[in-house]
Amino acid sequence: DIQMTQSPSILSASVGDRVTITCRASQGISTFLAWYQQKPGKALELLIYKASTLESGVPSRISGSGSGTEFTLTISSLQPDDFATYYCQHYNNFPYSFGQGTKLELK
Amino acid sequence: VQLLESGPGLVKPSQTLSLTCNVSGVSLSSDDYYWSWIRQPAGKGLEWIGRVYARGTTSYNPSLKSRVTITLDTSKNHFSLRVRSVTAADTAAYYCATTNFYSGKPMDHWGRGTLVSVSS
Repeated sequence: DIQMTQSPSILSASVGDRVTITCRASQGISTFLAWYQQKPGKALELLIYKASTLESGVPSRISGSGSGTEFTLTISSLQPDDFATYYCQHYNNFPYSFGQGTKLELK
Repeated sequence: VQLLESGPGLVKPSQTLSLTCNVSGVSLSSDDYYWSWIRQPAGKGLEWIGRVYARGTTSYNPSLKSRVTITLDTSKNHFSLRVRSVTAADTAAYYCATTNFYSGKPMDHWGRGTLVSVSS
């Protein structure tokens, strides 16, 4: 099975900051990588798929990059709505798996 | 597409956990969609359980495969999850999700989840 490792687990930042979250796969997954945002009591929201394709309706300050085993999610200028938990997920083969999550909190 | 999970919030150890995901906005009779279940223990990360599509074809996480069944009910436009012989380790929020086969996305529509506790 492919293991997904995210870092950092917690990220403290301020509105307007540029932040980057890293996700590493234990083996190559091409670009079969997605990023999700989770907020308490709300459905998970798909942000990025195919490593770098922005889901419709997601603001352009959010971007993804990478291929193979190393991937990043970048938010160019943090807005109050961005403080949440973020997960990466591979869908290269079964079983799909997720990173352990990165909680983005207000500094 | 909207998804809504339902089921008992409390299940006794060794019994079977049964959840339903009610779907609106798309017909489960369509062969174009994957229908998935994912779970999340409190304070922990997400675990993909499995998925069903196209006349009931399934794929499961090997870690749960021996205890899990996912089925489609096109007459009620919902799909279901059954987990047999549950223990406290099965206590989690359970989410259903879907995506269109041709979209290239893994899961782009999610329910809000339902909490299930396993306790006597």
